[in-house]
Parts: sequence; structure tokens; C-alpha cells
Amino acid sequence: DADVTQTPRNRITKTGKRIMLECSQTKGHDRMYWYRQDPGLGLRLIYYSFDVKDINKGEISDGYSVSRQAQAKFSLSLESAIPNQTALYFCATSDPGRVSGYTFGSGTRLTVV
Amino acid sequence: AQKVTQAQTEISVVEKEDVTLDCVYETRDTTYYLFWYKQPPSGELVFLIRRNSFDEQNEISGRYSWNFQKSTSSFNFTITASQVVDSAVYFCALSEAGGQGAQKLVFGQGTRLTINP
Repeated sequence: DADVTQTPRNRITKTGKRIMLECSQTKGHDRMYWYRQDPGLGLRLIYYSFDVKDINKGEISDGYSVSRQAQAKFSLSLESAIPNQTALYFCATSDPGRVSGYTFGSGTRLTVV
Repeated sequence: AQKVTQAQTEISVVEKEDVTLDCVYETRDTTYYLFWYKQPPSGELVFLIRRNSFDEQNEISGRYSWNFQKSTSSFNFTITASQVVDSAVYFCALSEAGGQGAQKLVFGQGTRLTINP
């Protein structure tokens, strides 16, 4: 099993619909992140969390919300999806002691039509 | 605020050529990490290297090498004798160091590298 699992892998949804992207990890890391990738813009941070009681906004949090249900689970919600939220979404965990630092999920490709 | 700039949006070379991907960063932190990631067409992010701001030694790993220069705030990546399998989008990224910080990654825009046979 992957260390960081994102579901679904691909999703097409309609404008105005609520959608949740899920992320679970088996690394035991406290820090978890949600990033969004758009062509030509790289990855940008949406939200991050240190633990279940600590949620922080990132660079582009408008239109998104998150829930840290447990140390291992960090979900991203789009309350009312809009077409410019079409993107590739990555969940990640981090461990400062590891050389690689971060472990990324495989990504969720979301299309809002 | 931290910022990473990859000015080269796309690079196309013929196989076996050497190619250098540029990365320039901005930060007020005195300690930080620099990263390179590879994103092949399948979409996942593959970790290539992390460099601590205290360590300016260049690093070589097979056909890959990295040149870190604090004086110019650059962390460039060179692929020697490129191969078709090197075709991917490459990201440079920056994060604060230190165990207690948020360690948010700030990414550059990415460089799409195409190696033609």
C-alpha cells in the first residue's frame, strides 16, 4: 500500500456541486498538506495541518475547506465547485528528520464542468 | 516571503545533450532547504534531492548534478547525456528548515523538459 493514499484518482463534477477529496497516510507524520497544481503555476499550498486541532490556511484557501479527522486523515472539500478549481490536487505529509522530507500522494485530477 | 523562480518554461533537446535547468530563490530565512522534484507524464512527484542551506557543496548522482550557490541564490540542476526517460516536468522548491516550523514547500513554476530521440 502507498504511504499516502488519495481518493479518488480522477473526478469529474458539475459546477455548484460539493466534493470531497480524501487523503490518508500510514507514515505516522503529524504534518499534512494539500497542494494544487495548475499548468505554468507549479504547486500552491491550500491548507496545512500540524495535528487534528491545528488547521492553517495556505496561499490559496478561498473556496476550500479541510478536515483533519485523525492523525492519518486529512480531507479537502470544495463546498461549491467552480470550473477554475479544475486542477491536479496533491496531499503530502512531512517529516523533518527524513532526507526527502515530504511524501506525496499520487494526486487527484479534478475537473469541474 | 519566499519565492522560487524557474524562468525556463520549456526546454527541448536532442538525446545525449547536456541540459541545465535553472532555479533562483528568495528567502529571508537563514536556514532553509532546497528541493528538486521530477514529475513524469504519469503525474506523480518524484523526489530527486534536498539541500540544506548550510551545505553549498555540489552534488552528483549518476547523470544528475546540482550546483548550489548562495551568493546568487541559485540551485541549478544539470542532466548529463540526457535520455528520453528524462522527459518530464521538473520543479524546484524551497522550505524553511528547523523541526518546529510549518515547513511549507514553495514551488517554482516548473520546467517542462523534452528529450527528443
